[in-house]
Amino acid sequence: GAVVSQHPSRVICKSGTSVKIECRSLDFQATTMFWYRQFPKQSLMLMATSNEGSKATYEQGVEKDKFLINHASLTLSTLTVTSAHPEDSSFYICSIGGTGGQPQHFGDGTRLSIL
Amino acid sequence: AQSVSQHNHHVILSEAASLELGCNYSYGGTVNLFWYVQYPGQHLQLLLKYFSGDPLVKGIKGFEAEFIKSKFSFNLRKPSVQWSDTAEYFCAVNPQGGRRALTFGSGTRLQVQP
Repeated sequence: GAVVSQHPSRVICKSGTSVKIECRSLDFQATTMFWYRQFPKQSLMLMATSNEGSKATYEQGVEKDKFLINHASLTLSTLTVTSAHPEDSSFYICSIGGTGGQPQHFGDGTRLSIL
Repeated sequence: AQSVSQHNHHVILSEAASLELGCNYSYGGTVNLFWYVQYPGQHLQLLLKYFSGDPLVKGIKGFEAEFIKSKFSFNLRKPSVQWSDTAEYFCAVNPQGGRRALTFGSGTRLQVQP
């Protein structure tokens, strides 16, 4: 069964809107979650590492004030795309970090379309 | 930082043909290696993984991969592909130890013709 639940699966909204994406760990407590972005016909790129109870770590080139990450509990991390623009249209995927070489579990992703 | 190269961007095969997708990585330390598959309209699924032991790893759906440390490679193979193998394939690595994000290759689109 699913280990990670990501919601919503698809969002279409107007430019300037803020959009919140939720990522829930269903089977275990996740102190670390990862947020990736996948542009059409490209690979997944890590955006940020979400840490429970502390600030997220952002990758170079990712604006922390635009992509707000909140990891308030051991089962939930949220990504808020603030004042979204058409160039933010992408596929956003969260994952729960594995330990000891075990694979990460990915959510089903959120397809964000900004008009 | 680590990086991953997938040399084949788009591969077209006929059913029953053999498959080999290349993956090379660069990193100064020990890594875990993964192959993920993304079927059209679906999320990523793990095909197989390697983190230690036998360098020949067998995964689901008849796939296997061989880790060749001297070549920094982790090529994916399947002796006989099926139409249902049509998908995007991603090689990924992360450093061993702790919870580390994956670094993905650019992906290879496999198209199997019936």
